[in-house]
Amino acid sequence: SQQGEEDPQALSIQEGENATMNCSYKTSINNLQWYRQNSGRGLVHLILIRSNEREKHSGRLRVTLDTSKKSSSLLITASRAADTASYFCATIISYGKLTFGQGTILTVHP
Amino acid sequence: DTEVTQTPKHLVMGMTNKKSLKCEQHMGHRAMYWYKQKAKKPPELMFVYSYEKLSINESVPSRFSPECPNSSLLNLHLHALQPEDSALYLCASSPVDRASTDTQYFGPGTRLTVL
Repeated sequence: SQQGEEDPQALSIQEGENATMNCSYKTSINNLQWYRQNSGRGLVHLILIRSNEREKHSGRLRVTLDTSKKSSSLLITASRAADTASYFCATIISYGKLTFGQGTILTVHP
Repeated sequence: DTEVTQTPKHLVMGMTNKKSLKCEQHMGHRAMYWYKQKAKKPPELMFVYSYEKLSINESVPSRFSPECPNSSLLNLHLHALQPEDSALYLCASSPVDRASTDTQYFGPGTRLTVL
């Protein structure tokens, strides 16, 4: 079974609004990562948060991690049309095996 | 050079064909990966190479045959594929695969269609 489950499955917003995506996982982790994938292309690493961190920022991205609830959220502030993509959380549970959540499809309307 | 390249971008093949997908990176990474991604699904790991040796095979059918000729190149040889093998095939690399903090760098993928 997938390590990560994400919600919502799809999110549609207007430019300038904030977008929040959530991810839940099942086993203990050392870190959790978020990746972006533009329409059927390769994945781009966005941010990594370690298990001893609760919040991390990178530009317009804010990631939180709650290990007690086994959940993480990705917030994109002041969204742009170029943020339209699929977003995946991912964890490594053993030996370089990166396991992805189901993903959230984000559409930002200009 | 912080890029992973994959060729070809698109591939259409019949079930009796033999073809190969190629992946290349020049970041000095010693771990390389093949993933398969079906439409609207997350990528699923197929193979992991560590220091040019196969370290993980996620029970992939033998019609997929990986090869790592050197530390910069990774191939995926395809033979007698089925239509359900049609997918986006992604290659990735990382500095060290044993470290749980590794970030993986992905190529743009090869879109494979099996007729």
